[in-house]
Amino acid sequence: NAGVTQTPKFQVLKTGQSMTLQCAQDMNHNSMYWYRQDPGMGLRLIYYSASEGTTDKGEVPNGYNVSRLNKREFSLRLESAAPSQTSVYFCASSDTRPQHFGDGTRLSIL
Amino acid sequence: DAKTTQPPSMDCAEGRAANLPCNHSTISGNEYVYWYRQIHSQGPQYIIHGLKNNETNEMASLIITEDRKSSTLILPHATLRDTAVYYCIGFNAGNMLTFGGGTRLMVKP
Repeated sequence: NAGVTQTPKFQVLKTGQSMTLQCAQDMNHNSMYWYRQDPGMGLRLIYYSASEGTTDKGEVPNGYNVSRLNKREFSLRLESAAPSQTSVYFCASSDTRPQHFGDGTRLSIL
Repeated sequence: DAKTTQPPSMDCAEGRAANLPCNHSTISGNEYVYWYRQIHSQGPQYIIHGLKNNETNEMASLIITEDRKSSTLILPHATLRDTAVYYCIGFNAGNMLTFGGGTRLMVKP
């Protein structure tokens, strides 16, 4: 019963460091998504991939890059981490609806 | 996407029905109403969705008004494990969810 798996679960970075967050799903879904959630707030879409080989910007893409490596995997990269990127990052996948979410990566930038 | 409005918090006694309201007066004809919940710091969990008709599943019931401007999520017998933030979302055909602030439901013994 894996569903959507995110790694790592926790990470602390220094300002300026780079980091790739990994996400994999085993439900054969076409679409995958990356969200961030700041304390006390709802989720905001960073990037999404409607199908293998395609990616599009969401609401808050600045400072991030993504790669849809294959149908299963969708990674999120921070090239030069900033304290404003301290957040919980959620990956999700879907075919038509609804979206299935992973348990998140808690990222702190010092 | 439809903008949704929910009360920031609600309390409910354990074993009683929890009725969570949502206003979505700008919802368009092809937008579904989706409900998710987020327990503590876990990933959001899908609960139920509907377009026009009322819906029921093993988790909850969804009542949508005839004019589709509002809906109510009903947890028929709330338990302590139902304490969570509940999100009402207007969902477009592009398959992107827009989360608002949600309602923090506290189920009390």
